[in-house]
Amino acid sequence: GAGVSQSPSNKVTEKGKDVELRCDPISGHTALYWYRQRLGQGLEFLIYFQGNSAPDKSGLPSDRFSAERTGESVSTLTIQRTQQEDSAVYLCASSFVAGAARNTQYFGPGTRLTVL
Amino acid sequence: TQLLEQSPQFLSIQEGENLTVYCNSSSVFSSLQWYRQEPGEGPVLLVTVVTGGEVKKLKRLTFQFGDARKDSSLHITAAQPGDTGLYLCAGGRGSQGNLIFGKGTKLSVKP
Repeated sequence: GAGVSQSPSNKVTEKGKDVELRCDPISGHTALYWYRQRLGQGLEFLIYFQGNSAPDKSGLPSDRFSAERTGESVSTLTIQRTQQEDSAVYLCASSFVAGAARNTQYFGPGTRLTVL
Repeated sequence: TQLLEQSPQFLSIQEGENLTVYCNSSSVFSSLQWYRQEPGEGPVLLVTVVTGGEVKKLKRLTFQFGDARKDSSLHITAAQPGDTGLYLCAGGRGSQGNLIFGKGTKLSVKP
């Protein structure tokens, strides 16, 4: 596709359930990022993948959060035993490489997660 | 700890007015990016600045990176209703892949 796509666009779940959020990056982009945006706030970094290197998980808020990426393709963010404070928009971005000063991150539209 | 402080948090102005949004930090960044985000969409990159003192213009928008690469500003001339949105600054640090975002400035331009 032309841009980063994410699914689902909206997810409502009950507290304690597990959820999976999917991201399809732009073809050819080796770096993929997950961010979280709470209502009215800026973006909070969660995790990023660069090629076949070990992911940088330093932003994951707890061990209930995990993410996987298949090669340089799709990524799945999993939240186990969801809590109400997990409610937010989860944004995925991709770029050609990570860390380059002029490297543009292209964002998907996000998945709005609501935990009841 | 909020590494990037944006101000003001909210701004409501009339069409035709000028405005400036600030992004400040005590940390040095290798690059500073400005994004604009509309409701229900992801942020869209407006500009990247990498050199201390750099000034970039994009039509009615002027971006400046501080000499010490710790702060940046976005100035909009003759604002239009189409400028309405959330403006986010984000700092990059060399080999570190992720960006550090400010909390954003929510701009509303009334006709």
